[in-house]
Amino acid sequence: LAKTTQPISMDSYEGQEVNITCSHNNIATNDYITWYQQFPSQGPRFIIQGYKTKVTNEVASLFIPADRKSSTLSLPRVSLSDTAVYYCLVGPGYSSASKIIFGSGTRLSIRP
Amino acid sequence: GAVVSQHPSWVICKSGTSVKIECRSLDFQATTMFWYRQFPKQSLMLMATSNEGSKATYEQGVEKDKFLINHASLTLSTLTVTSAHPEDSSFYICSALIGQGAAGELFFGEGSRLTVL
Repeated sequence: LAKTTQPISMDSYEGQEVNITCSHNNIATNDYITWYQQFPSQGPRFIIQGYKTKVTNEVASLFIPADRKSSTLSLPRVSLSDTAVYYCLVGPGYSSASKIIFGSGTRLSIRP
Repeated sequence: GAVVSQHPSWVICKSGTSVKIECRSLDFQATTMFWYRQFPKQSLMLMATSNEGSKATYEQGVEKDKFLINHASLTLSTLTVTSAHPEDSSFYICSALIGQGAAGELFFGEGSRLTVL
């Protein structure tokens, strides 16, 4: 799987838009980009997945430039409950042979 | 979305005992499940890949005789920590795979916190 690099931590305030960028310079042609959210003492939760350009769902948006060497998770109008660790994963989809490897993640702290 | 349940959610045991953690896919069948462990303030570390009806594939550095994985059915995988020691105290998380490739989806359990005294 392509190695990913994310900021270790980020701080923001309630109501702000938060953008977390992930670098994946070695992304392969058939790789997808997936973001997970993890709260303390819980398993990760799927947020969004994309291949190119922009993907949006009810929770977040994912921006992927043309070269796909990075991606940005955008959380609109964050609240205290968005305080969590966010992981960016890059890989060719899932299979019984896949190794779903997590990077260090970004610890996001939201303040009132 | 699909639900993956782990049991127990937390367990405390004495050093030298064995502990079994169950991972169930409640509303779907999962031929493949993954087991992770996570230490405080650290990321998830993949321990092994569990395929129904076959032996688990362990990651380098993970002792297969200490962390026994059984995936006897399409809805249940178990992780047994044998002769647990305090250094085995950790947060253990399983995930189950639906589908394959780009259409595949991964669902995680709530995690099981093991404390070995």
